Amino acid sequence: DIQMTQSPSSLSPSVGDRVTITCRASQSISRHLNWYQQKPGKAPKLLIYAASTLQSGVPSRFSGSGSGTDFTLTISSLQPEDFATYYCQQSYSPPFTFGPGTKVDIK
Amino acid sequence: QLQLRESGPGLVKPSETLSLSCTASGGSISSDNCYWDWIRQSPGKGLEWIGSIYYRGSTHYNPSLESRVTVSVDTSKNQFSLKLSSVTAADTAVYYCARRGITIFGVVNFYWFDPWGQGTLVTVSS
Repeated sequence: DIQMTQSPSSLSPSVGDRVTITCRASQSISRHLNWYQQKPGKAPKLLIYAASTLQSGVPSRFSGSGSGTDFTLTISSLQPEDFATYYCQQSYSPPFTFGPGTKVDIK
Repeated sequence: QLQLRESGPGLVKPSETLSLSCTASGGSISSDNCYWDWIRQSPGKGLEWIGSIYYRGSTHYNPSLESRVTVSVDTSKNQFSLKLSSVTAADTAVYYCARRGITIFGVVNFYWFDPWGQGTLVTVSS
């Protein structure tokens, strides 16, 4: 199985801050990497697929980059509604696997 | 727009079979360009992909669960289902159904999960 790791595990930025979350795959997955946002008690929501393609309806302050084994999710200016947990997920080969999550907490 | 909703018992006894259904509304299960997947989330193991089915019936399972999992589809009900046998406390989780969509860039298929159902908590306990 392809193992996914994320860093940091949590962070406490302020509204307006630029936030960067890193995801690493245990082997090359080309650009087969998705990002999800999950709020408490809710299902994950797709933000970005194919490493950098913004899902329809997702604000443009979210962006993704990377290929191979190293990927980044960036929120250019954090908004109050962005406090959530973020997960990366590889879709290169089954079993599809997720990272452990990065919790973005209110400072 | 497509919506998914899980249904089934919230409490299952150890060694018994967990059975859940996912009903689609606002779209058809009989779509050529997607799969229908089950994913679970527990505090201990995080998000774990369980398996998937294509509307024509082909399946793919996580090897870690394959011996206990069956995913089936009923196109007449616009529904797909999950059975997980011989459950233990380790199977306690929130279970989600999701569409696995496909986007083609050039000749490469990219898969993503969207939308997800709201999730249903299944507790394994006697």
